[in-house]
Amino acid sequence: DTEVTQTPKHLVMGMTNKKSLKCEQHMGHRAMYWYKQKAKKPPELMFVYSYEKLSINESVPSRFSPECPNSSLLNLHLHALQPEDSALYLCASSQGLTRGQETQYFGPGTRLLVL
Amino acid sequence: QQQVKQSPQSLIVQKGGISIINCAYENTAFDYFPWYQQFPGKGPALLIAIRPDVSEKKEGRFTISFNKSAKQFSLHIMDSQPGDSATYFCAASRVGQFYFGTGTSLTVIP
Repeated sequence: DTEVTQTPKHLVMGMTNKKSLKCEQHMGHRAMYWYKQKAKKPPELMFVYSYEKLSINESVPSRFSPECPNSSLLNLHLHALQPEDSALYLCASSQGLTRGQETQYFGPGTRLLVL
Repeated sequence: QQQVKQSPQSLIVQKGGISIINCAYENTAFDYFPWYQQFPGKGPALLIAIRPDVSEKKEGRFTISFNKSAKQFSLHIMDSQPGDSATYFCAASRVGQFYFGTGTSLTVIP
């Protein structure tokens, strides 16, 4: 099973709402990633978790708050977002961060619209 | 600063032809160079990847050529098919930090 699942598929939220995105994998991977992808643009790395600890934060605004409750789950908590945060949010996982473990498997993404 | 530059932005190829997409990078610390294929509404999927100590890697119809001294790498799709029509991204990585190229929209016409 090489599947990464993401819920919800679509999300519409107002600027004062609080919502969460969820990502799950059962491949035994110990690294998980959040990316943001705007239309016709490449994915941009937001956060990387390794062994449930935050390893990389690419200077993401604090209105995005990641959480890795266990090795299979990754959440992204959203609060007070702006319309420019509307994008496809992609989750990925890999065996780890070291050489030979980098192959990433992406989920289908959550399409977020902030009104 | 764009860590990985990709060209062309779009590409139209006849069925059976060769599609070639080029990427260039600056940071010599990168040690893993994957190519991804993305269809509309889907997440990227890994096609093929290479390390800088290898000059070429082939998997089926997909070949990566890597020129370490020039800091360039390219994807060749042989015998291109309409089903290959998608957006292709190159990327460069080191220790979990992935930087993607700007993407190439490939259209293969029958």
